[in-house]
Amino acid sequence: SYELTQPPSVSVSPGQTARITCSGDALPKQYAYWYQQKPGQAPLLLIYKDTERPSGIPERFSGSSSGTTVTLTISGVQAEDEADYYCQSADRSGTYLVFGGGTELTVL
Amino acid sequence: QVTLKESGPVVVKPTETLTLTCTVSGFSLSNATMGVSWIRQPPGKALEWLAHIFSNDVKSYSTSLKSRLSVSKDTSKSQVVLTMTNVDSVDTATYYCALFGQGAPHWGQGTLVTVSS
Repeated sequence: SYELTQPPSVSVSPGQTARITCSGDALPKQYAYWYQQKPGQAPLLLIYKDTERPSGIPERFSGSSSGTTVTLTISGVQAEDEADYYCQSADRSGTYLVFGGGTELTVL
Repeated sequence: QVTLKESGPVVVKPTETLTLTCTVSGFSLSNATMGVSWIRQPPGKALEWLAHIFSNDVKSYSTSLKSRLSVSKDTSKSQVVLTMTNVDSVDTATYYCALFGQGAPHWGQGTLVTVSS
């Protein structure tokens, strides 16, 4: 079955830039979505269709795509950004959705 | 404004069938560009996609759970229903429904289901 691969953890100091990657063979063909999840809360959509940001999401969250890897970039990381981050996409046919295993972002 | 709300039992006994309903407001399930997915998250674990129903009623299921899942929609009630047969303690999780269309996806807040005798 199709898989998306994320690093289990990323650490960054406040004010620095955090980059979380997500790799999958079908990413050149299928859009990627990024979610932030804090303990006890539902996932919050940060980025959709690789690079689009929903209204209300701060500009310091951005998405990019290059080949089989998509990247969530958080510029000027704040303590409140400490959370789990998930990428989501679909297989080549668009029939089966899939989530990455999640990345725990630690703000040092 | 598009909203989704999951509903169903809080506790289910092992071997029983779990039925969950996703009620969609502010968006028509007859819209040709839409699809609704069910996703779950066991406590402390990652998100797991379960099933998806497209606007044309085509359905897709997680390979590992396909034999136990069924998804359907009632456009007139704006509801999508997920059934999972023969539940076990490993199915204890928060279950979410999410609407995917041409724009940003919309998620419900989730419903926690505990499998316990």
